[in-house]
Amino acid sequence: QQQVKQSPQSLIVQKGGISIINCAYENTAFDYFPWYQQFPGKGPALLIAIRPDVSEKKEGRFTISFNKSAKQFSLHIMDSQPGDSATYFCAASGGSNYKLTFGKGTLLTVNP
Amino acid sequence: GAVVSQHPSRVICKSGTSVKIECRSLDFQATTMFWYRQFPKQSLMLMATSNEGSKATYEQGVEKDKFLINHASLTLSTLTVTSAHPEDSSFYICSASTHGGYEQYFGPGTRLTVT
Repeated sequence: QQQVKQSPQSLIVQKGGISIINCAYENTAFDYFPWYQQFPGKGPALLIAIRPDVSEKKEGRFTISFNKSAKQFSLHIMDSQPGDSATYFCAASGGSNYKLTFGKGTLLTVNP
Repeated sequence: GAVVSQHPSRVICKSGTSVKIECRSLDFQATTMFWYRQFPKQSLMLMATSNEGSKATYEQGVEKDKFLINHASLTLSTLTVTSAHPEDSSFYICSASTHGGYEQYFGPGTRLTVT
């Protein structure tokens, strides 16, 4: 049973556009929601994360929107650049073991 | 800060041999380290969680006798793939976190190819 559902599987955006990736979770015990960026052949890098006590968090061009009642959260990349082309994973964690449950990933391509 | 290294970055070994992968936290003490496996174009699959000085906790379906994990210090964890076979070929990634910290910092990964 996949506990974090991520969509879309792939996304193509023009340079300067807004990239939006969505995730939905089932486990109400989750209380930490990070987004990771991964380039081919590299390990994932923490991009931005949010806790359920806030509905939005912004860091530079990256924004997480969080809807606790709907159990959904999304990543918005403003002014998308070709260098943002990568695979993005949402994840969720909660409880005492801090294990991350990952979404299946979104391959983002930003065309110049 | 929060840098995690892995060694080697790539390894090719023959079927039946064992391979050791090291994961180090360079600028912080990692109370907990995690080992993941990732197949091409797929998500990360957690293999095991290890706390310093304790035995690793393996996820369901992961053979603990095949994937030996040691977390002997607060900055080093090792994964040994014993009697490797071609189906063990994959991208292995470790991550580390501090005590009470949700953030996991990932290493650059190790590409294992078993011939």
